[in-house]
Amino acid sequence: TQLLEQSPQFLSIQEGENLTVYCNSSSVFSSLQWYRQEPGEGPVLLVTVVTGGEVKKLKRLTFQFGDARKDSSLHITAAQTGDTGLYLCAGARNAGNMLTFGGGTRLMVKP
Amino acid sequence: NAGVTQTPKFRILKIGQSMTLQCTQDMNHNYMYWYRQDPGMGLKLIYYSVGAGITDKGEVPNGYNVSRSTTEDFPLRLELAAPSQTSVYFCASQGLARPYEQYFGPGTRLTVT
Repeated sequence: TQLLEQSPQFLSIQEGENLTVYCNSSSVFSSLQWYRQEPGEGPVLLVTVVTGGEVKKLKRLTFQFGDARKDSSLHITAAQTGDTGLYLCAGARNAGNMLTFGGGTRLMVKP
Repeated sequence: NAGVTQTPKFRILKIGQSMTLQCTQDMNHNYMYWYRQDPGMGLKLIYYSVGAGITDKGEVPNGYNVSRSTTEDFPLRLELAAPSQTSVYFCASQGLARPYEQYFGPGTRLTVT
């Protein structure tokens, strides 16, 4: 059983469409990160959210941390083919250093 | 600035063979981690280290060993390779200044046949 559940697991959309990816847990996290991973490479950090209700924007990507710090979402506006990849959320339970990763959402954006 | 480097990039092992996956970081980070990623899945923590000379088990440590003799290096040892260890292995490091953010190497793809 994953401590962090991501949905959907797979998403295939056309270029220009909007999408939202979810990361849910029954546990409270002190912080949550989103990573993007491209084939053959390691995950690359996109954003860290630490405050309940926090919203961060990174160009066309909007990240939100739930008020209770148990869940997060990633919204992409006007998806581009370059957004294709595996999106991973990861949470830290406390001020320690271990991250728990979700199972990932594999996004394919078709031209 | 190389960041986190891993060698080798690919390796095929026969059952029962041993090997060491190398990981080096040049960011003077205290914390280092080893993860494995099975196809289409997230990452599972194998071992981690909070500083030179200190290591601890993660979620899936069986079949692996680590050492941390220097800040820069964190090798992962497989003693008796098994098919269940076929996976992609990622090393990551994390500094004190940004305590929740990990930086990953490019990975080692290991096949055990």
